Amino acid sequence: SQKIEQNSEALNIQEGKTATLTCNYTNYSPAYLQWYRQDPGRGPVFLLLIRENEKEKRKERLKVTFDTTLKQSLFHITASQPADSATYLCAFLNYGGSQGNLIFGKGTKLSVKP
Amino acid sequence: EAQVTQNPRYLITVTGKKLTVTCSQNMNHEYMSWYRQDPGLGLRQIYYSMNVEVTDKGDVPEGYKVSRKEKRNFPLILESPSPNQTSLYFCASSLGTGALDEQYFGPGTRLTVT
Repeated sequence: SQKIEQNSEALNIQEGKTATLTCNYTNYSPAYLQWYRQDPGRGPVFLLLIRENEKEKRKERLKVTFDTTLKQSLFHITASQPADSATYLCAFLNYGGSQGNLIFGKGTKLSVKP
Repeated sequence: EAQVTQNPRYLITVTGKKLTVTCSQNMNHEYMSWYRQDPGLGLRQIYYSMNVEVTDKGDVPEGYKVSRKEKRNFPLILESPSPNQTSLYFCASSLGTGALDEQYFGPGTRLTVT
């Protein structure tokens, strides 16, 4: 079955630095991959979607890459701020599932220190 | 305001007492889904619906039922709740199929089964 792994449970960085979060997957390569932000006790909020034929996608200080050879997506936050502290989740379609069966990684909790 | 609403937000109940968690969206979305989120296990899909009267199992459907009689509503039913269903539940919706479109999540329902 498909597995999705996010590199670490927690990542601590200094304000102003670039945060890099990793999402790895096994077996087949999804055609689309999504990234979400989740604050404690709240529902996830969509950030970016990247397609397999897109190497990179940007939105303000956010950048997502998708490497189907490495079976990996990287999520970058440049010039990080304490307000970026949250848990970040990646998600994609489960292998063998219909178009509606999404699976999520367990998330990486990012802490940005002033 | 475009949103997904869930009720109740908090619920404490006893084993075996049937309950329903309601979910409603006002965005005319085709796709709706239920997730549960548990520490260490992340966000897992319970059921999803691609359209009215069309529902399908996610990764952890045991012990749950759903129905989609109207486009805007997607209730989650626990016929005989058990303590292992204590969790944080999220409803989500999107315009098209789950993999291709951003998911809009509700605020969550924290359920405790004693």
